[in-house]
Amino acid sequence: DAMVIQNPRYQVTQFGKPVTLSCSQTLNHNVMYWYQQKSSQAPKLLFHYYDKDFNNEADTPDNFQSRRPNTSFCFLDIRSPGLGDAAMYLCATSGTYGLAPNEQFFGPGTRLTVL
Amino acid sequence: SQQGEEDPQALSIQEGENATMNCSYKTSINNLQWYRQNSGRGLVHLILIRSNEREKHSGRLRVTLDTSKKSSSLLITASRAADTASYFCARTGGGNKLTFGTGTQLKVEL
Repeated sequence: DAMVIQNPRYQVTQFGKPVTLSCSQTLNHNVMYWYQQKSSQAPKLLFHYYDKDFNNEADTPDNFQSRRPNTSFCFLDIRSPGLGDAAMYLCATSGTYGLAPNEQFFGPGTRLTVL
Repeated sequence: SQQGEEDPQALSIQEGENATMNCSYKTSINNLQWYRQNSGRGLVHLILIRSNEREKHSGRLRVTLDTSKKSSSLLITASRAADTASYFCARTGGGNKLTFGTGTQLKVEL
């Protein structure tokens, strides 16, 4: 089945220790998104890729970076995690761009704990 | 805030009852979508309603949209315990961004 896969599902890191979360998709979608979702809050968009074009949200901290080496994979790098970065990180994809309806397909998420 | 607001924040009903969740937003939209999120999981797309539509059905789901009031509602009929989840509305105003509402936590009790 076509899907969005996130690894690992649970990640524990230490304060200040770089961490990388990964996302892969078999949907062949050209748009990939990263969201941060804190407990009992709405998902908040960090950035997205349209093919290789990176689009950062204005309020995304510099601590968060992303890489998309190919269509299938996208990575979220947190350079120096702080306690406030503990959250669920959701990857999503979309096969449409522009004015077309933007249904997004989400992975199961990675829950990040910062000690 | 550009987020939509949803009410109620939490809703507890008995199995078989209907559940209604409301979403309000502040800016114009191209379409509005509803997603479900089971505890600790990713979001699942439920239904999309375009700005020129007023009502849409999908199985036990009914969504309405009133662009003059900038509001939408999601009705789940004959609820089941498996419907227990958080429900989010998300608006698309243009481009490719979804802006999510604050969510409604639904609990369906046996």
